[in-house]
Parts: sequence; structure tokens; C-alpha cells
Amino acid sequence: GDSVTQMEGPVTLSEEAFLTINCTYTATGYPSLFWYVQYPGEGLQLLLKATKADDKGSNKGFEATYRKETTSFHLEKGSVQVSDSAVYFCALSDPNAGGTSYGKLTFGQGTILTVHP
Amino acid sequence: KAGVTQTPRYLIKTRGQQVTLSCSPISGHRSVSWYQQTPGQGLQFLFEYFSETQRNKGNFPGRFSGRQFSNSRSEMNVSTLELGDSALYLCASQKGEVTDTQYFGPGTRLTVL
Repeated sequence: GDSVTQMEGPVTLSEEAFLTINCTYTATGYPSLFWYVQYPGEGLQLLLKATKADDKGSNKGFEATYRKETTSFHLEKGSVQVSDSAVYFCALSDPNAGGTSYGKLTFGQGTILTVHP
Repeated sequence: KAGVTQTPRYLIKTRGQQVTLSCSPISGHRSVSWYQQTPGQGLQFLFEYFSETQRNKGNFPGRFSGRQFSNSRSEMNVSTLELGDSALYLCASQKGEVTDTQYFGPGTRLTVL
């Protein structure tokens, strides 16, 4: 079945440092890939997405490129801020999974990011 | 446009009781999905409803059920609560196609004592 693996966390950085959170996936065909962010006490917010190979999703300084050859969708940001402290989830939806794909996102385990001033 | 809303935000129940959670999707969205989030298991898919029909279901016991109304609002019910049902329950709405983006509500925090 489909699966998503995120780098082991938590990640602690100083403000203005470079961020990378690794994400790899297993799926049949061509899934759509997402990064969601969860702030304390809140639900998930879509950060960015990519729907086909070599697509780059970007938002609020975050970027991720859909790499089919390495089945990866790593999240990057050039200069993090204290306000970026949150939990980040990589996820996929697999339209090739037939009826078992309706409304289903498969998530990684989440990566806790803490940014210090 | 208003986002996904969930009520109540917090619930405390005791073992053996049942609970009903509610989710109102974004206007125009016909699909509602439910997820359970726990520290140990992460985010797990419960089920999805579209036009009042369950289209997909995750691997949860029959104690977990749901329904959707003609206005696309959805409820999920958990009967005979167990301690392990303590979790954040999230619902998400999307227009209806598999490739559409899901938008999440703030969640309902259920504590079972």
C-alpha cells in the first residue's frame, strides 16, 4: 500500500537558518504530494502541493519539488523564522488506487520544527 | 469564504459512552473526510462521504461510524468509547475529485476517562 516516510525529528534551528525536511513516498503510479503544517492547538493547513513529476510547489518561502526518480518531496526554506515553529506533515493522495483513494490522504509521521531567536 | 468548522472543540467522556462529532465543510464542497490523530499512530484515515454516501473507509472497528446530510454537513459517531479513542478528530472537505485539495477544520479533542 501507499506510505510516506519523513525524516526523524524533532528539528531545532536558529532563526535565519536553512531548513530541509526529507520526505519519501511509496505509491502506485503518480500520486499528488502535499505538505501540511499544524500549529499548536490547531488543525492542518495546506502549505504547498505538487501534482506531477518535476512540479515545484511553493508558499511563504517554503518550496518542495516532486522528484519521481527518487520518490521524494523534500521541504526547504532558505531562512526560517520563529513563527515557523510547528509540526510539518508530508502527505500523498493516490488517484491510481481506485475506490480506496477517495478522500484519503496518507500522511508521514510529522516533523516537529522549533526555531529559536 | 468560511473554512471548515467542527463542533464541539473539546469533549470529555467516560468509557462505554458514545459521542457524536459534527463537521461543516466549505461551501460548495461535497466531500468530507475524517481522520484520527494520536501521538502513537499519527494521522489515520477513518472514512469519506460524498453526496450522502460513504465512498471509502479506513481500518477502524465498526464502533466508528458516520453520515452525511444533504447540505454536505457530516457527523461521526463513536459508540462504546474506549480509553484508546482519546484523540484529535479532524475533518477535511474537498470539492469531490480525488485530486482536489483537502482543507482541514480545527479538530475536536476527545478525552475518554
